[in-house]
Amino acid sequence: ELKVEQNPLFLSMQEGKNYTIYCNYSTTSDRLYWYRQDPGKSLESLFVLLSNGAVKQEGRLMASLDTKARLSTLHITAAVHDLSATYFCAVDKGMDSNYQLIWGAGTKLIIKP
Amino acid sequence: DTGVSQNPRHKITKRGQNVTFRCDPISEHNRLYWYRQTLGQGPEFLTYFQNEAQLEKSRLLSDRFSAERPKGSFSTLEIQRTEQGDSAMYLCASSLVLVMGLAGDHQETQYFGPGTRLLVL
Repeated sequence: ELKVEQNPLFLSMQEGKNYTIYCNYSTTSDRLYWYRQDPGKSLESLFVLLSNGAVKQEGRLMASLDTKARLSTLHITAAVHDLSATYFCAVDKGMDSNYQLIWGAGTKLIIKP
Repeated sequence: DTGVSQNPRHKITKRGQNVTFRCDPISEHNRLYWYRQTLGQGPEFLTYFQNEAQLEKSRLLSDRFSAERPKGSFSTLEIQRTEQGDSAMYLCASSLVLVMGLAGDHQETQYFGPGTRLLVL
């Protein structure tokens, strides 16, 4: 059974610092998503990573995928308060499992001014 | 098209009542998903449709829950005889599954609606 683990689950950091959120998954997958959720809001798609070595960047966020290690990272550079949110990774189980997504528990990120 | 929409955004009901939620997906999307999310947790899969066909329901889904997508466009999720444990955010998402033949099918990103927050008193 595919399991997805995120760590840390909670992160409080100061503006201007760098940090990384990790997403480990237990079986083979070739598609991984990162989503952002603000309190009381729905989920916003950030990145989709499609292959080993994939790297995508948007502003201060950069996501990467290592399918051999079954690991994705979301790196935050020079954090700003507006990036405070909960970040979820989700792994696509693929065609044989009807493309269901298995979700991590989320990382709640608080960035203090 | 402005994305996935859901109605109502909030619903307060008394235990034992029935509630129905609606989801309007992105128009060209052929997949529609329902999820439930409680505070501090990730989304929990409930069911999904490929066009009008409901292809899978979560084993955790009670018989009190039913979903329809009659014309392959909007979908409704009904909860009968609500219980306090049903209180949650109900999320709808839609996506496009592309049939690529020999190249293999694949699913595009799931886009989420704003959710319906249900409180059962």
